[in-house]
Amino acid sequence: AQSVAQPEDQVNVAEGNPLTVKCTYSVSGNPYLFWYVQYPNRGLQFLLKYITGDNLVKGSYGFEAEFNKSQTSFHLKKPSALVSDSALYFCAVRDRGSTLGRLYFGRGTQLTVWP
Amino acid sequence: GAVVSQHPSRVICKSGTSVKIECRSLDFQATTMFWYRQFPKQSLMLMATSNEGSKATYEQGVEKDKFLINHASLTLSTLTVTSAHPEDSSFYICSAPREGRYNEQFFGPGTRLTVL
Repeated sequence: AQSVAQPEDQVNVAEGNPLTVKCTYSVSGNPYLFWYVQYPNRGLQFLLKYITGDNLVKGSYGFEAEFNKSQTSFHLKKPSALVSDSALYFCAVRDRGSTLGRLYFGRGTQLTVWP
Repeated sequence: GAVVSQHPSRVICKSGTSVKIECRSLDFQATTMFWYRQFPKQSLMLMATSNEGSKATYEQGVEKDKFLINHASLTLSTLTVTSAHPEDSSFYICSAPREGRYNEQFFGPGTRLTVL
């Protein structure tokens, strides 16, 4: 069965500091991996995805994520956090063989960036 | 990029009434759409997979008669919450995969349902 773990409910960082939001997964085969961000009362916005190739993926708003196959992780990172980055972040995986494209989500991590 | 819309964005209704939520793919056709429910500060819970021209596939524990799904065209899926009760109050989000090499999914902005 597919599963995604975001071990931290909450991450707090000071503005200007680097941030990391953790994600590990358990899927059969090689998955597609995604990060989404959600602001209050809004739908999900796509940040970045890993399909194949370079393990370091760069996405929107200065975010990046590193795919680590041996550790089955896909942690989200940003070198310098902004207060406006404060939001709920979801990691998601998709079975590479899925024709429907169903996503499996982690429980979400609330990121708070303090000024 | 592709756009998925939802209507209404917010709805408040009395207990016992039915509410319809629309999900539209604006610039691509979607034979499949997904409906999620989200409680405050929690993850998205997949309720059902909407299939154009056929019955929806519901996740375990989701009442089919309570949450009616109709995928009438390649750009429109509707979720009707029948005889709504306060416990149905939630944030409902739809998504649609755009067919292509990776079937990338696009999410609607969500609908906040409040049942009084």
